[in-house]
Amino acid sequence: TQLLEQSPQFLSIQEGENLTVYCNSSSVFSSLQWYRQEPGEGPVLLVTVVTGGEVKKLKRLTFQFGDARKDSSLHITAAQPGDTGLYLCAGANDYKLSFGAGTTVTVRA
Amino acid sequence: NAGVTQTPKFQVLKTGQSMTLQCAQDMNHEYMSWYRQDPGMGLRLIHYSVGAGITDQGEVPNGYNVSRSTTEDFPLRLLSAAPSQTSVYFCASSYGDGGELFFGEGSRLTVL
Repeated sequence: TQLLEQSPQFLSIQEGENLTVYCNSSSVFSSLQWYRQEPGEGPVLLVTVVTGGEVKKLKRLTFQFGDARKDSSLHITAAQPGDTGLYLCAGANDYKLSFGAGTTVTVRA
Repeated sequence: NAGVTQTPKFQVLKTGQSMTLQCAQDMNHEYMSWYRQDPGMGLRLIHYSVGAGITDQGEVPNGYNVSRSTTEDFPLRLLSAAPSQTSVYFCASSYGDGGELFFGEGSRLTVL
């Protein structure tokens, strides 16, 4: 059983549409990270959120950490084909980073 | 600055064979870890180390050994390979607790 549940597992949208990926857990984390992974490569960090209720924006990407620090969401506005990839959330506690199963996002041109 | 370097990138083993996946980082990170990635299961932590001489188990440690004799190196040993260990393995390092993880490019292992 995954400590972090991500939904949906797969998402296919048209260029220009918006999308949201969810990351939920029953555990509280000291921080939560979002990574993006492309085929044949290791994941690369997008953002770290630390404070409950925190919202961070990275160009067209908006990340939110839940008030109770158990859940998070990633929203992409006006998705582009370059946003295609596997999005992973990861919760940090005591030097252990636990990952969700990931959401595969495909943006069609 | 090479970051995190894993070798080999690909390996095929027969059941019962042993092997070592090598991992080295040149960023002077104290924290290093090994994950395996399987379809639909994300990344699962195998072992981690918070500094030279210190290692601990993650979620799925059975069948794997690690050691950390230097800050730079963190090898992962498969003692007696099983088909269930077919996976993509990632080594990662960070400055410390909750810090950004820097990943290697992965090692794809197939056990027949």
